[in-house]
Amino acid sequence: KAGVTQTPRYLIKTRGQQVTLSCSPISGHRSVSWYQQTPGQGLQFLFEYFSETQRNKGNFPGRFSGRQFSNSRSEMNVSTLELGDSALYLCASSERGVGQKYFGPGTRLLVL
Amino acid sequence: QKEVEQDPGPLSVPEGAIVSLNCTYSNSAFQYFMWYRQYSRKGPELLMYTYSSGNKEDGRFTAQVDKSSKYISLFIRDSQPSDSATYLCAMSDTGANSKLTFGKGITLSVRP
Repeated sequence: KAGVTQTPRYLIKTRGQQVTLSCSPISGHRSVSWYQQTPGQGLQFLFEYFSETQRNKGNFPGRFSGRQFSNSRSEMNVSTLELGDSALYLCASSERGVGQKYFGPGTRLLVL
Repeated sequence: QKEVEQDPGPLSVPEGAIVSLNCTYSNSAFQYFMWYRQYSRKGPELLMYTYSSGNKEDGRFTAQVDKSSKYISLFIRDSQPSDSATYLCAMSDTGANSKLTFGKGITLSVRP
């Protein structure tokens, strides 16, 4: 099976702009979750989608949003970008949500 | 107190050494325990997965979970330079809240 894919791999944006990141999970997996990784905070949970419904949300401001489509692909949107949003954004795929999660290569976002 | 604590490292060992990586946690609801390996500028790769307590072995890797002490370990036998990476422990509970809570990660360097 193909692994988790994320596009784009790299992005450079300026403050105030918005960005949309995309994730395609492993075939057959219905759960997609998103994490932010920074050197200072490590990996932090953003939100999880299961069968197009947001099932759980982390402690991030409302500027961070996401959605999941009927084919399980997911998008994450960040509006009004701030410098502190510079990070590696990782998508994780899971068959049922609980248990094993498989990560994609990430999208590295730089906000100038 | 952080939910998951991991030795900060970095850790440098000679090739062939036995490596012991550890995490402690405070949330007794955690039931799923994982170890991820992350190479520089890559996404985390699921290395070991354990449900509840006990040991699990896979080649040179052994994962141990001691729920009574809230302590998990990863042992790497006959370490190789290719094992040089950042190792992250992660855990989640069994409910609808299946988000992974990560340790900060430890960077391992195996010297030839």
